[in-house]
Amino acid sequence: NAGVTQTPKFQVLKTGQSMTLQCAQDMNHNSMYWYRQDPGMGLRLIYYSASEGTTDKGEVPNGYNVSRLNKREFSLRLESAAPSQTSVYFCASSEVAGRGTDTQYFGPGTRLTVL
Amino acid sequence: GDSVTQMEGPVTLSEEAFLTINCTYTATGYPSLFWYVQYPGEGLQLLLKATKADDKGSNKGFEATYRKETTSFHLEKGSVQVSDSAVYFCALRGIKAAGNKLTFGGGTRVLVKP
Repeated sequence: NAGVTQTPKFQVLKTGQSMTLQCAQDMNHNSMYWYRQDPGMGLRLIYYSASEGTTDKGEVPNGYNVSRLNKREFSLRLESAAPSQTSVYFCASSEVAGRGTDTQYFGPGTRLTVL
Repeated sequence: GDSVTQMEGPVTLSEEAFLTINCTYTATGYPSLFWYVQYPGEGLQLLLKATKADDKGSNKGFEATYRKETTSFHLEKGSVQVSDSAVYFCALRGIKAAGNKLTFGGGTRVLVKP
C-alpha cells in the first residue's frame, strides 16, 4: 500500500497565481485533512472532510478551497497565492471510529514557496 | 478550546543519553493523546498514543504516560541514538473533535550527536 500520496513535492508560485495540491489515500479511510506547517507553530488545520461529500473549515481556512473528489482524493486549491501561504502542506487521512482507532496517517508533504 | 504546549527546542543530546520532552494539554474531559515524529524531509508518523488516564503508550523504546492529574503526556527514552534525531510533536484529539481533528503542539527538534 502507498498510504497517503501528495503531488507535487515542491512548487514555486508568483503572487496571484493559482494552483491545486493533490492528495490521495488507498486505505479506504473516511476522513481526510489538510494541514500547513510553519516554523515553531506545529501543524494547523486548514480544512477537513469527515466523510465523502462533506468538507469543513479548520483553524486557518482563509485563502483556500477544498474538494473531496471521491473517497480517495481530497484536493486543496489556492485561488490567488500570497507570500503568507509559503509553507509546507500535509495531507492526512483517518478512519472515523471510536476511541483508540483514530490515528491519522500523513503524506510526505508539499513545500510551497510564493514569491 | 483545546491546546497543546510542548517544550521548545532544539534539544541537543549525546548518543545514549536520556531524553525527556515535556507536553501539557488543555482540553475538556479525557482526550486521546499522541506523539508524532517527523524525520528530516518526511511527513509525520505516529510514534505512540494513549486513550485513557494512566495508559502508557510505548514504541521503539519511547514511552509516555497519560497523566490526567497534571494534564501531561511527557515523552521519554532511556538511551537515544543518532537515528532518533527528528522533530517530535505532541497532539490531542478532543472528545468533541468533529471529524477526528487533531490539535498539535509546536514541535520539539531533537538532535543526537555521536
